Amino acid sequence: ETGVTQTPRHLVMGMTNKKSLKCEQHLGHNAMYWYKQSAKKPLELMFVYSLEERVENNSVPSRFSPECPNSSHLFLHLHTLQPEDSALYLCASSRTGSDTEAFFGQGTRLTVV
Amino acid sequence: AQSVTQLDSQVPVFEEAPVELRCNYSSSVSVYLFWYVQYPNQGLQLLLKYLSGSTLVESINGFEAEFNKSQTSFHLRKPSVHISDTAEYFCAVTQRGGATNKLIFGTGTLLAVQP
Repeated sequence: ETGVTQTPRHLVMGMTNKKSLKCEQHLGHNAMYWYKQSAKKPLELMFVYSLEERVENNSVPSRFSPECPNSSHLFLHLHTLQPEDSALYLCASSRTGSDTEAFFGQGTRLTVV
Repeated sequence: AQSVTQLDSQVPVFEEAPVELRCNYSSSVSVYLFWYVQYPNQGLQLLLKYLSGSTLVESINGFEAEFNKSQTSFHLRKPSVHISDTAEYFCAVTQRGGATNKLIFGTGTLLAVQP
């Protein structure tokens, strides 16, 4: 148990579907992150929220839409995805500051068909 | 901008043998350095980190890493590995003094410990 919970663990969706990934942390952290992990590629930072404000958006396509309603919850809304978007999506949280430990969830394995 | 290179995608090793996983980084600014480990079907867990001070840092399970500024390296070592050390290991950097921990990762090295 890392303190960061992601649901669902696995998701299969068609290219015309709309779905959402959920991340929840009760560690008292105030920064949350979405990463994409694809085979043979480095983990890619997608979005960063600090104190519930988006502070980073690394040129992610608009078919990925994040939402951070409070400091404990982070969502990634998905629509009209492509097969190349299939990957493991990892959520992480940390205290503010770059010297802190990031705690990761177990990830959502997404398959786009 | 920062980048991290892990040249070895997979390192096979026998149990109780020593191992070194290599990590080199490139950055125009000062960075903090991290090693994370990912066990099968799990998220990433922090193994150790270098922030400042002694260039040799250790984890609780026998791993150590040494920061070498001149060679821009942060190699991970363990003198004697166990089967349970089989996992994927990721080296990462983040900009020193940043407001959030925006990690830049390498591609990972799969450590495969054989009996």
